[in-house]
Amino acid sequence: EPEVTQTPSHQVTQMGQEVILRCVPISNHLYFYWYRQILGQKVEFLVSFYNNEISEKSEIFDDQFSVERPDGSNFTLKIRSTKLEDSAMYFCASSTLFRTSDEATGELFFGEGSRLTVL
Amino acid sequence: QKEVEQNSGPLSVPEGAIASLNCTYSDRGSQSFFWYRQYSGKSPELIMFIYSNGDKEDGRFTAQLNKASQYVSLLIRDSQPSDSATYLCAVNSPTAGNQFYFGTGTSLTVIP
Repeated sequence: EPEVTQTPSHQVTQMGQEVILRCVPISNHLYFYWYRQILGQKVEFLVSFYNNEISEKSEIFDDQFSVERPDGSNFTLKIRSTKLEDSAMYFCASSTLFRTSDEATGELFFGEGSRLTVL
Repeated sequence: QKEVEQNSGPLSVPEGAIASLNCTYSDRGSQSFFWYRQYSGKSPELIMFIYSNGDKEDGRFTAQLNKASQYVSLLIRDSQPSDSATYLCAVNSPTAGNQFYFGTGTSLTVIP
């Protein structure tokens, strides 16, 4: 069964360093997302990406963050100058649109997540 | 801001009982509704989705949708201890860039 894969599964970094989290979405999916979940809190939307550009971003996704699709398969999240409060689980997800009998919808599939710990 | 509201719980039910999880949403343009299960430390796992008013059954799970009331629910019949997890409600707006909006989740504990 196709799946979203993420690397690394866990990264520990020093405050102020840059990290890159990598994702390989499901191959025929067209929409890509990054979500964040701080321990014990809700899943928070960061950014969505379609047709090689950002389609929507949340207030969290400020200039510290950037996304890229460097080739036909990878989708990356870069966090510059990490802060303690960036410590969280980061989930990549992908989706495609399909039509039901009368509507368009999509299913969102998550990767296993990358746990970021900022010291 | 598109809001998705869930009772955070915790909800406790005895093994074999029916667990009922509820969700309301603010955006009338939402078209599809999803239930995810998340075990502690794991990623959300899709259980089922629904896009038409009424009930949709899949094994022990039944999703119910009422678009007029902007309400979606998940029933889990014959609850098992392995069902203990956080259940996330999500709504999808394909016309808004295919965005998915999540509730805070309801923590369910099934007591053996």
